[in-house]
Amino acid sequence: ETGVTQTPRHLVMGMTNKKSLKCEQHLGHNAMYWYKQSAKKPLELMFVYNFKEQTENNSVPSRFSPECPNSSHLFLHLHTLQPEDSALYLCASSQNSGVRSYNEQFFGPGTRLTVL
Amino acid sequence: SQKIEQNSEALNIQEGKTATLTCNYTNYSPAYLQWYRQDPGRGPVFLLLIRENEKEKRKERLKVTFDTTLKQSLFHITASQPADSATYLCAPADRGSTLGRLYFGRGTQLTVWP
Repeated sequence: ETGVTQTPRHLVMGMTNKKSLKCEQHLGHNAMYWYKQSAKKPLELMFVYNFKEQTENNSVPSRFSPECPNSSHLFLHLHTLQPEDSALYLCASSQNSGVRSYNEQFFGPGTRLTVL
Repeated sequence: SQKIEQNSEALNIQEGKTATLTCNYTNYSPAYLQWYRQDPGRGPVFLLLIRENEKEKRKERLKVTFDTTLKQSLFHITASQPADSATYLCAPADRGSTLGRLYFGRGTQLTVWP
């Protein structure tokens, strides 16, 4: 195991539902990430949190809302999603130590999301 | 915008041979580059990191090269085994990002047959 857990592992939701994905890291890292992985596409970075502060939002639609209450937990709140949002959502963490961080990222197993 | 190309979607080789995966990038100059392995239903797992001032890095049966002139990295697995079958992702890092923002390629699915 990588030290990064994600729940649930699978989620099926309708377009009008509201759900949340949870990520927890047990590595003492100070940065956490949400990625989207669709079939035949590269991993797409969605959000980055550094010391609980959001430092990057890659033009993600507002129907995805991240929350980082502390440096060990990360949530992705979902509402009124579209079928094209169906994908594998991956959480990752890393330890960033300053100006030039050669940081390897530790990924969770992902949540397989299906939007009907 | 940044673009990463990995040589092919799939590579099939016989056990014992050397697998060579290619990663080409355009429109940026990464300070370093990482390679990850991803198995079905799992998140990527970090394998190796190589910096721009390093030509080659080795770890057990793995070898990575980084040619900043060609804008290319090669990833080799020597004496390949069926257990090496997985998707391998190339991830050059954004030089300007203090968080080491990574851009991932689509990956190459490697199958090693007995």
